[in-house]
Amino acid sequence: GAGVSQSPSNKVTEKGKDVELRCDPISGHTALYWYRQSLGQGLEFLIYFQGNSAPDKSGLPSDRFSAERTGGSVSTLTIQRTQQEDSAVYLCASSLASRGAAYFGPGTRLLVL
Amino acid sequence: QKEVEQDPGPLSVPEGAIVSLNCTYSNSAFQYFMWYRQYSRKGPELLMYTYSSGNKEDGRFTAQVDKSSKYISLFIRDSQPSDSATYLCAMSEGSARQLTFGSGTQLTVLP
Repeated sequence: GAGVSQSPSNKVTEKGKDVELRCDPISGHTALYWYRQSLGQGLEFLIYFQGNSAPDKSGLPSDRFSAERTGGSVSTLTIQRTQQEDSAVYLCASSLASRGAAYFGPGTRLLVL
Repeated sequence: QKEVEQDPGPLSVPEGAIVSLNCTYSNSAFQYFMWYRQYSRKGPELLMYTYSSGNKEDGRFTAQVDKSSKYISLFIRDSQPSDSATYLCAMSEGSARQLTFGSGTQLTVLP
């Protein structure tokens, strides 16, 4: 079946602009994660959605970052007033339950000039 | 000290060698353990998923978990050049809402 998809695959923006990154999880997966991977670094947790529960936002680095998940499926990560340090690969993953293995999408490469 | 420690390498081996990749962790509440493979400019690909202690084998890959030592391993037998990638360990608590990742080990298998 189809895996996790993310769009756009690449995004170049100017400092101070807002960007929206989209994630389409695997159909039927109730849990959805956003991670960030900077060059040569490990994966940094950002936010987690599980079903209708309140999201775990503990990893969001600042209030410029927000995410929503509509209808328990598609998720959008929004970064307002982008900064150069926001440049990274933003990865989305989904799983069947909070204890299930997470499957990742290909990521969105964000470059802030 | 990081919750999950992983030797970043780089690790270089000849084709056909047995590769051993390892992670240590400090959080005794971790119960679920995963290994991911990440090729350059791609998303992480799930290789192995295990619960609690023990071994799990899938083809050329074997995952081992030793909770008493807080140590997990991934073995790759008959390594191939196509195995060249970064390998990430990840783990989670039973009721946690996030995966905690190691920093990844870069592996190169030389033909």
